Amino acid sequence: DTAVSQTPKYLVTQMGNDKSIKCEQNLGHDTMYWYKQDSKKFLKIMFSYNNKELIINETVPNRFSPKSPDKAHLNLHINSLELGDSAVYFCASSQGRAPGPGYTFGSGTRLTVV
Amino acid sequence: DQQVKQNSPSLSVQEGRISILNCDYTNSMFDYFLWYKKYPAEGPTFLISISSIKDKNEDGRFTVFLNKSAKHLSLHIVPSQPGDSAVYFCAANTYNNNDMRFGAGTRLTVKP
Repeated sequence: DTAVSQTPKYLVTQMGNDKSIKCEQNLGHDTMYWYKQDSKKFLKIMFSYNNKELIINETVPNRFSPKSPDKAHLNLHINSLELGDSAVYFCASSQGRAPGPGYTFGSGTRLTVV
Repeated sequence: DQQVKQNSPSLSVQEGRISILNCDYTNSMFDYFLWYKKYPAEGPTFLISISSIKDKNEDGRFTVFLNKSAKHLSLHIVPSQPGDSAVYFCAANTYNNNDMRFGAGTRLTVKP
């Protein structure tokens, strides 16, 4: 009964393709996030959604777009994939705007662009 | 612009001894600090946190110390156990703001 689940776990695709990563949480949290863990292992926030509103949008390329059909889901769409997009992407959720133990992460999606 | 830094990529300790993981930050506006633990092929899981009004927080074998003047925090694990072997991420935030910043992580190996 996974609290935050991401699919797929692994994704290998060619440059130029468009792909999506799905995320679902069953914790009743009202805020969801996407983080990218780059080659240097830093976890960097990309987006967060609170009550269907984007509240953080780091300087990520506009090829990346979050889609939230409801507060339990935050999917990540990536257009025209580039080699530099290869990374591990983590979805997370929390209740409210405060940080702390309420951050629950998914197990990650390893994206490889060839 | 890495506002949270973990300068030791790895640490190896003997079972039963103390593990000390260090973290430095540059943004003086941070007022909430967290440690997350990550096993391979899993997402990070929350371990312990501390707010800037404290200088120590303890939870069982885990203690986090905060030195605001030095912009430094550390995680102590006593005694260390082989199951503690994982990557530990330091994170910092300003309260009521979801823009949490992470360090690059320190891989802890506890040898039996």
